[in-house]
Amino acid sequence: AQSVTQPDIHITVSEGASLELRCNYSYGATPYLFWYVQSPGQGLQLLLKYFSGDTLVQGIKGFEAEFKRSQSSFNLMKPSVHWSDAAEYFCAVASILTGGGNKLTFGTGTQLKVEL
Amino acid sequence: IAGITQAPTSQILAAGRRMTLRCTQDMRHNAMYWYRQDLGLGLRLIHYSNTAGTTGKGEVPDGYSVSRANTDDFPLTLASAVPSQTSVYFCASSEKETGGNEQFFGPGTRLTVL
Repeated sequence: AQSVTQPDIHITVSEGASLELRCNYSYGATPYLFWYVQSPGQGLQLLLKYFSGDTLVQGIKGFEAEFKRSQSSFNLMKPSVHWSDAAEYFCAVASILTGGGNKLTFGTGTQLKVEL
Repeated sequence: IAGITQAPTSQILAAGRRMTLRCTQDMRHNAMYWYRQDLGLGLRLIHYSNTAGTTGKGEVPDGYSVSRANTDDFPLTLASAVPSQTSVYFCASSEKETGGNEQFFGPGTRLTVL
């Protein structure tokens, strides 16, 4: 069965520092991978997605992620964090439902705190 | 503004009561989903619908039912609420049901069952 692991529950970085959030997935076929961000009291917003092709994908708000098949990882990165990036980040993998269609299996999330 | 609306924003409910959470999208997306979000567990799929008139069970369907009478609406009903159903509920939609399609999320409904 598919699964997603985000090993870091909380991460604190200083504003202007670089960021890397870890995500490992388990899925038998070529995965469709996503990173979502959730600000307090809000729904989830898509940052970026990987389907195929270039293993380094660019997203919104200056985020990027690298797909590494050999490590089953899809880590999220940003070269310089802004205070407004403080939020919870979710990695997800799409998988096929028994009755057709797809679902997203989410990791448990990483809470990012940005120190000024 | 195009997107997904959910109602109510929050609700406190007595155990045993019936409750329907509403979800409406105006993007004409085929597929819709209900997730619940619990601390330390991420989001888990409750029910889904690939197209109007069809529904399916997700990971945690017990105690919940859905219907999809038209493209835009996808209500979630708790027939007899229990405290373990206290959660934040998110409705989502995607243009198609295939794996590569982005899911768009509503703002959520915070439900407390006492």
